Amino acid sequence: GAGVSQSPSNKVTEKGKDVELRCDPISGHTALYWYRQSLGQGLEFLIYFQGNSAPDKSGLPSDRFSAERTGGSVSTLTIQRTQQEDSAVYLCASSLVTGWPGGWTGELFFGEGSRLTVL
Amino acid sequence: GQQVMQIPQYQHVQEGEDFTTYCNSSTTLSNIQWYKQRPGGHPVFLIQLVKSGEVKKQKRLTFQFGEAKKNSSLHITATQTTDVGTYFCAGRARDDKIIFGKGTRLHILP
Repeated sequence: GAGVSQSPSNKVTEKGKDVELRCDPISGHTALYWYRQSLGQGLEFLIYFQGNSAPDKSGLPSDRFSAERTGGSVSTLTIQRTQQEDSAVYLCASSLVTGWPGGWTGELFFGEGSRLTVL
Repeated sequence: GQQVMQIPQYQHVQEGEDFTTYCNSSTTLSNIQWYKQRPGGHPVFLIQLVKSGEVKKQKRLTFQFGEAKKNSSLHITATQTTDVGTYFCAGRARDDKIIFGKGTRLHILP
């Protein structure tokens, strides 16, 4: 597709359930980021994938959160045993990177986000 | 870990007044990016600054990157109602993570 695609756009779940959020980045973009944005707040870094390298998971808030990226393209963010404080918009962004590491990171292209509500 | 602080958190200005938001990083940055998020929307890229002391302009917007590559600012001259939104700075350090500031929410009073 032309842009970053995220699904579902809205997810309402019960506390304790697992959820999966999907991100389909722009074709050819090697870098993929997940951020979390609570209502009226900033963007909290969660995880970063670059090519085939090990992801930077330093932003994941707990071991209930995990993410994978298959084939260097689609990524899935999984939240196990959801809690009410997990309610937020989860944003995925992709970027073209040249000359990595230490090279030029281009602009981030964001998807529309997945709004998660945990009841 | 790397932190990016941004002030002010909120700013109300009369239409036609100027607006400035400031960004400070706890670590030296490789580059800094600025994004705008309209209410209900997702962040959209505005600009990227790479060089120490760099200044870039986009119409009424002026972006600066500090000499030490740890701070940056965005200045809007003569604000218009279309400028409403939240402005985020995002710093990239050597580990390639891009960390966002908490943003400055700009309200324009007609």
